[in-house]
Amino acid sequence: QKEVEQDPGPLSVPEGAIVSLNCTYSNSAFQYFMWYRQYSRKGPELLMYTYSSGNKEDGRFTAQVDKSSKYISLFIRDSQPSDSATYLCAMSRSGGSNYKLTFGKGTLLTVNP
Amino acid sequence: KAGVTQTPRYLIKTRGQQVTLSCSPISGHRSVSWYQQTPGQGLQFLFEYFSETQRNKGNFPGRFSGRQFSNSRSEMNVSTLELGDSALYLCASSLLQGARLDEQYFGPGTRLTVT
Repeated sequence: QKEVEQDPGPLSVPEGAIVSLNCTYSNSAFQYFMWYRQYSRKGPELLMYTYSSGNKEDGRFTAQVDKSSKYISLFIRDSQPSDSATYLCAMSRSGGSNYKLTFGKGTLLTVNP
Repeated sequence: KAGVTQTPRYLIKTRGQQVTLSCSPISGHRSVSWYQQTPGQGLQFLFEYFSETQRNKGNFPGRFSGRQFSNSRSEMNVSTLELGDSALYLCASSLLQGARLDEQYFGPGTRLTVT
């Protein structure tokens, strides 16, 4: 079993829809959870950074972590065409060890105007 | 403030050749990490350099190597290229080694195609 599983999609939604992106993981030692957005021909850009369980909101984006289920989600409200990108989840046991970051393979999202 | 820059952006090489990729971190950043991104394996950590020394290494063969210069710029070298080395190579910089994960910034990547 892969440490981090992420549905690759592709996911296509109309503008204004609520988008739900998800990752599951197997390593219960993961404590730090991140979501990155990667536009075509660009590097990943950090969207959300959370520690342990709970919710975190930033504008139209909400990250949820359920450690009991080993499941994390990213919700995008009122999705825009500019949200069209690949979304990567990532997680780590330590907050200061990028070499221990484990990434999902990414979900390709297209928001249609 | 300029972001992380990587050169070249695109590269086509033949099996058996070697390649050198370059990364210039954000001004003032001293830690540079390299990642390989492929559709099959996703994003995987290659190595991290800080103060011209390799600090951490991922699970890649010895054909993958790197170095860092005194101005914090870093190069990555892949020798005896294989078809499976075709990937997007990403560089990320942070102020210090072991910086918080939310203080790491990625460059645009170098797309390497091996034929």
